[in-house]
Amino acid sequence: DAEITQSPRHKITETGRQVTLACHQTWNHNNMFWYRQDLGHGLRLIHYSYGVQDTNKGEVSDGYSVSRSNTEDLPLTLESAASSQTSVYFCASSDARLGGNTDTQYFGPGTRLTVL
Amino acid sequence: GESVGLHLPTLSVQEGDNSIINCAYSNSASDYFIWYKQESGKGPQFIIDIRSNMDKRQGQRVTVLLNKTVKHLSLQIAATQPGDSAVYFCAENIYGSARQLTFGSGTQLTVLP
Repeated sequence: DAEITQSPRHKITETGRQVTLACHQTWNHNNMFWYRQDLGHGLRLIHYSYGVQDTNKGEVSDGYSVSRSNTEDLPLTLESAASSQTSVYFCASSDARLGGNTDTQYFGPGTRLTVL
Repeated sequence: GESVGLHLPTLSVQEGDNSIINCAYSNSASDYFIWYKQESGKGPQFIIDIRSNMDKRQGQRVTVLLNKTVKHLSLQIAATQPGDSAVYFCAENIYGSARQLTFGSGTQLTVLP
């Protein structure tokens, strides 16, 4: 069955280190998204991509970067991890096409990141 | 800015009763809404969606109602079961926003035995 996976599921790192979180989907969806989830804030959009070589900043993109070299993967990199980036990170994908205005997103299981 | 919000952060219901979770939105341009369920330790799971050209849509034990006049939508769960205990999010899609969703902060539903 098609699915969306994230790895690692849990990560502890130190302040200042570079960290990369993986997201892989097998639905062949055009669109992929990264969110962080914190108590009191719900889901906040970090970065998103509408296709290969396309990346866009979301609401809380500072300190994060993404790259889209193929359809299946959108890795999220924390260039220099900070304690404020301790959070649960979710990747999502959707198949909304240009000209459409519906966008059901399907989520991965999440990565819990702790920055010490 | 405009955002999606929820009236109540927590809701407790007896097993077998019906549950109603509410959501308010402020952007009249929003034309697509989704309800997600998130169980502890898991990612959000799609439940049901509704387009703005509809007032009501039913799924299996769930119904979403949309009132565009007061910018309000609700999720009704019939015969609530222990497995329904989770956080429920509404999300909106704003036409022309390049398919981004805006999420509310969520309502914790607890089903009591």
